[in-house]
Amino acid sequence: EIVLTQSPGTLSLSPGERATLSCRASQSVSSSYLAWYQQKPGQAPRLLIYGASSRATGIPDRFSGSGSGTDFTLTISRLEPEDFAVYYCQQYGSSPRAFGGGTKVEIK
Amino acid sequence: EVQLVESGGGLVQPGRSLRLSCAASGFTFDDYAMHWVRQAPGKGLEWVSGISWNSGSIGYADSVKGRFTISRDNAKNSLYLQMNSLRAEDTALYYCAKDSGYDMAAVFDYWGQGTLVTVSS
Repeated sequence: EIVLTQSPGTLSLSPGERATLSCRASQSVSSSYLAWYQQKPGQAPRLLIYGASSRATGIPDRFSGSGSGTDFTLTISRLEPEDFAVYYCQQYGSSPRAFGGGTKVEIK
Repeated sequence: EVQLVESGGGLVQPGRSLRLSCAASGFTFDDYAMHWVRQAPGKGLEWVSGISWNSGSIGYADSVKGRFTISRDNAKNSLYLQMNSLRAEDTALYYCAKDSGYDMAAVFDYWGQGTLVTVSS
């Protein structure tokens, strides 16, 4: 079973700054089957990135994903007010389909 | 427009049962795998169970294996989760999520708004 560890737990940044979120897997994620989701308070999660680096439909290009094997990164190039939320990574290459514990991006 | 609407949540005593439903619309339901994901109050996301397009492949988290049963009715565009022997730790918001593929090997591209299950005496 793959365990995903996200860091940091909380990221305090100002609008316009760059955010870098990390997701580390306990073993290699096959075929880069790694996704990122955004969740705002009171809302369901929304798919941002799949296949480690492909943006989902309608996702702005300030969101980018990278990585392979066991180390993955979500980067938000310039934070907009609507980007302050919790972000989860998920591997979907094997069962169970584990999520990471999440990184909260909060306004500094 | 894809819509997933969960129902069936509520307050239930430990050891009792509950059946959740998810009504799907806006896409060809029997072309896609489906999943249940839960979120305990103030906590992260936990995948609970998934089912392939034709019910040929089913998976469960260890935390619910033997107690929960996932099923689907493609004629009714509906997904179900039968939850038996409920425990306090099953208290969560339960989301229905659409897989972007047919065999549970892809991402969750659409989510419902969730139905709340509270297990308490």
